[in-house]
Amino acid sequence: NAGVTQTPKFQVLKTGQSMTLQCAQDMNHEYMSWYRQDPGMGLRLIHYSVGAGITDQGEVPNGYNVSRSTTEDFPLRLLSAAPSQTSVYFCASSETEANEKLFFGSGTQLSVL
Amino acid sequence: RKEVEQDPGPFNVPEGATVAFNCTYSNSASQSFFWYRQDCRKEPKLLMSVYSSGNEDGRFTAQLNRASQYISLLIRDSKLSDSATYLCGTDNYGQNFVFGPGTRLSVLP
Repeated sequence: NAGVTQTPKFQVLKTGQSMTLQCAQDMNHEYMSWYRQDPGMGLRLIHYSVGAGITDQGEVPNGYNVSRSTTEDFPLRLLSAAPSQTSVYFCASSETEANEKLFFGSGTQLSVL
Repeated sequence: RKEVEQDPGPFNVPEGATVAFNCTYSNSASQSFFWYRQDCRKEPKLLMSVYSSGNEDGRFTAQLNRASQYISLLIRDSKLSDSATYLCGTDNYGQNFVFGPGTRLSVLP
């Protein structure tokens, strides 16, 4: 099993550009989520999904969109990138929302100039 | 107030030392607690879950104090390879997973 696959590993954007961070898991997990990690702030939840067709906002959802059309995939879209979105992004999944064993992808280092 | 708080450190300890981290949480209805380890520029990985009765895994011991709403992690006989950032987290009453900012540990030779 590949676990949680996250792409790309690095990305540089200009202010105003849009892009999609891809996340896929092959463990048939119901719960998937996106976090951003900034120095001194820890992991902050952006959006999460408890199953296909269901998404909800986390702590810092503004400027990001998600969709969950399949169990496997949970892409994160930046509609109009801003320098404040420069961060490391992690996708994570677990069997259910009540299961604490989160599996993380390897992260995306995003810089917005 | 943040949902989960931790002392960011860094904790600099010599090899062989015992070190303890605490982490406080604000949602008294939280059910699950856990410690994750994160190496520099890597993804977090589950170190251990924290159970009400406390639990031990080799040199690592985790405790939960519901009355005071904190969890702790004790590392005995520290190794150089224990150097990392330790993140505590909770399920926030089954809503989603929230984490503290992490505590950085450096074990020195």
